[in-house]
Amino acid sequence: AQSVTQLGSHVSVSEGALVLLRCNYSSSVPPYLFWYVQYPNQGLQLLLKYTSAATLVKGINGFEAEFKKSETSFHLTKPSAHMSDAAEYFCAGNFGNEKLTFGTGTRLTIIP
Amino acid sequence: DAGITQSPRHKVTETGTPVTLRCHQTENHRYMYWYRQDPGHGLRLIHYSYGVKDTDKGEVSDGYSVSRSKTEDFLLTLESATSSQTSVYFCAISGTTGLAELESTDTQYFGPGTRLTVL
Repeated sequence: AQSVTQLGSHVSVSEGALVLLRCNYSSSVPPYLFWYVQYPNQGLQLLLKYTSAATLVKGINGFEAEFKKSETSFHLTKPSAHMSDAAEYFCAGNFGNEKLTFGTGTRLTIIP
Repeated sequence: DAGITQSPRHKVTETGTPVTLRCHQTENHRYMYWYRQDPGHGLRLIHYSYGVKDTDKGEVSDGYSVSRSKTEDFLLTLESATSSQTSVYFCAISGTTGLAELESTDTQYFGPGTRLTVL
């Protein structure tokens, strides 16, 4: 079955430290992959997406993600965390139809 | 923000009452979706629409129905609300207007959400 898995429901990093949020997919064919961010009491905002054009994808707010087919991964990174990055992050995959399959989300906390 | 609004934004209702949530879009997108968000589950698809009067079920469709009588509106109805339907509901859209071959459904854009509490 096609699925998206996010490792770690909660991640805490110090301000200025590297942010790494993990996402893996399960599928025989690589999907289109997305990262969304959700700030408290708001909807989901698209951070970046992979649609096979380039394996390293840059998004908004200094985030980027690298698609690795051999590892079936699409981890999200940011070199230096900022307090404003505190939010919940969702990885999602489009497995060739009109629908998205979401991971269960990772709540990112930034420690001052 | 892709011109998506949801109404109401908050609602408290009692078990057994009918509830209708509305999603409205202003940019003529073909596809519309309803999700529910619950802790530990991420977002789960309830129903989606691929055109006026064309809808299909998602993974958690039991207890929900939808209707789309015009392009801009997608309604989600809980015929008889239960406490298990307490959740935050999000609408999303995808697909561009114009020529069919230019339509892309890979990226979805989300509304602000409706927080529903069933007592």
